Amino acid sequence: AQTVTQSQPEMSVQEAETVTLSCTYDTSESNYYLFWYKQPPSRQMILVIRQEAYKQQNATENRFSVNFQKAAKSFSLKISDSQLGDTAMYFCAFMTGYGGSQGNLIFGKGTKLSVKP
Amino acid sequence: DTEVTQTPKHLVMGMTNKKSLKCEQHMGHRAMYWYKQKAKKPPELMFVYSYEKLSINESVPSRFSPECPNSSLLNLHLHALQPEDSALYLCASSQDLKRVSTDTQYFGPGTRLTVL
Repeated sequence: AQTVTQSQPEMSVQEAETVTLSCTYDTSESNYYLFWYKQPPSRQMILVIRQEAYKQQNATENRFSVNFQKAAKSFSLKISDSQLGDTAMYFCAFMTGYGGSQGNLIFGKGTKLSVKP
Repeated sequence: DTEVTQTPKHLVMGMTNKKSLKCEQHMGHRAMYWYKQKAKKPPELMFVYSYEKLSINESVPSRFSPECPNSSLLNLHLHALQPEDSALYLCASSQDLKRVSTDTQYFGPGTRLTVL
């Protein structure tokens, strides 16, 4: 069974600085997808970034980038130039790449990030 | 446009009430999901619909009854709930379960449910 581990329950960062959130996962599969979602106090779960396991290139979306280390089963999220609006709970999630997944996202427990002015 | 809408935003109900949660998307997605999220926890999958047919029921009690009347709408009917069912209920949609390579879930804002 796949598992996702986020070892940092809470983190804080000063505005404009860079922060990295950690995520590790366990799977025996070779084809899968990884996601970072953020959930601000407003509750809406927002997709931050998606990474395909077969792609060696790390995904980036503006200030957000990942460090995907497939052999180490590590998928960390780097937020550059942190903004107050980045304050949120961040969830790492795994989805198998095989048809039988039925869309089942496996979430980590989350990291609560606070951006301080 | 990656918008999933949910109504109502908040709902308070007694244990004998019957109520419904509604979810809507107009992205042409053919998979829709219900999740339950307790405070400070990740979402837990409840149901998955694919092409308007129930694909997954994660052993959810029968007091929760999902319905997918068409490809854009997903309802969750609630009856005889317990106080421990109080939670945030999230709806999500994705393009197509059969096309895993492009299947990303987009979430709605959720309904905050309180059972008294």
